[in-house]
Amino acid sequence: QSVLTQPPSVSGAPGQRVTISCTGSRSNIGAVYDVHWYQQVPGRVPKLLIYGYTNRPSGVPDRFSGSKSGASASLTITGLQAEDEADYYCQSYDSALSNYVFGSGTKVTVL
Amino acid sequence: EVQLVESGGGLVQPGGSLRLSCAASGFNFDRYSMHWVRQAPGKGLEWVSYISTSSSTKYYTDSVKGRFTISRDNAKNSLYLQMNTLRDDDAAIYYCVRDLWSGGDLWGQGTTVTVSS
Repeated sequence: QSVLTQPPSVSGAPGQRVTISCTGSRSNIGAVYDVHWYQQVPGRVPKLLIYGYTNRPSGVPDRFSGSKSGASASLTITGLQAEDEADYYCQSYDSALSNYVFGSGTKVTVL
Repeated sequence: EVQLVESGGGLVQPGGSLRLSCAASGFNFDRYSMHWVRQAPGKGLEWVSYISTSSSTKYYTDSVKGRFTISRDNAKNSLYLQMNTLRDDDAAIYYCVRDLWSGGDLWGQGTTVTVSS
């Protein structure tokens, strides 16, 4: 059972906006620890999508954005494209566990 | 080229041991903390272990404590994971990842561990 909770799946038509939530607690997201997001296309290695809640590495399209509110973080894809169909994971650090933690993962389906 | 290359995976019987290696190149390995992350077939990502730049600090997920040991050799730009008393639920792709604290921007291609009799 993951410390960070994500919805198992979200879907949307091409061009639509979808948001993936990542809910934690006071010992991880609710504390001072950053949240990062990864995209994993089936059969491929995970790729860093967002770091430090809101920052995009070079080469990541600006249709991907991140935010934080309290003990939760969100990843938004604005203008969904077929190539965005993948699994998405949030990741942070948990001080109560002294562990790094991943969310349970969300499968994005483009209808 | 900046990259991480894992090796050492394979088929092992329950109770057996394996040593995974991760060779780093193209960056100052000794300036980065390193991690092992695994992914069981059809499952999500699971953080396994962390090691600081100087090896002074090591963390493990509860399920591997006492069985797995992380280490590094900065002179050889290499990261290791010694896995003992392997169980069925240790079967996974094991990834070597750079600096999850800042956002794991560099992942290896993974090495597959299969545990079966």
